[in-house]
Amino acid sequence: QKEVEQNSGPLSVPEGAIASLNCTYSDRGSQSFFWYRQYSGKSPELIMSIYSNGDKEDGRFTAQLNKASQYVSLLIRDSQPSDSATYLCAVKSVTGGGNKLTFGTGTQLKVEL
Amino acid sequence: DGGITQSPKYLFRKEGQNVTLSCEQNLNHDAMYWYRQDPGQGLRLIYYSQIVNDFQKGDIAEGYSVSREKKESFPLTVTSAQKNPTAFYLCASSIDDKGQPQHFGDGTRLSIL
Repeated sequence: QKEVEQNSGPLSVPEGAIASLNCTYSDRGSQSFFWYRQYSGKSPELIMSIYSNGDKEDGRFTAQLNKASQYVSLLIRDSQPSDSATYLCAVKSVTGGGNKLTFGTGTQLKVEL
Repeated sequence: DGGITQSPKYLFRKEGQNVTLSCEQNLNHDAMYWYRQDPGQGLRLIYYSQIVNDFQKGDIAEGYSVSREKKESFPLTVTSAQKNPTAFYLCASSIDDKGQPQHFGDGTRLSIL
């Protein structure tokens, strides 16, 4: 079983719609969760961090965390073609030391005109 | 501007050759990391350093070496022992190793000649 799982997609949504990206993780003790956006050929860019259960909103982005279900999601409202990218979920595991992140393989999002 | 600088952007390695990838940050971050990204795979941790003059192996350290002589610098050497070095290499840093988000440089793309 992969430690951090994401549907690889592609997830296609029309412009202006809500895109919903999902991520599950196996380490029940994980405390820190991150969403990164990666455009093709570029490096990952941090877009959201979430540390406690519930929702966290930043502009058009909302991260949702449910530790009981070991599930973290990212909602993108009013999706734009510029949102087309791969979205990586990253989880800080409590096993081992340091700030080690485990990354999912990413979900490719396509926003269509 | 504060940030993480990786160089070179593209690098070619001959058989039996060691090559060194540079990573410099002026964010005053304590922790630095090296990841490898292969097509269709998530980021995999090679080495990380929580403080100057200290570093730990990540999940795929074989065939790589690092040093952390200065807070700002964390170079990665890809040795001839790494038999499949072709990948996108990403350097990241974080304020500390307590769960703060990691921020990435632009990456170095390494290929075999």
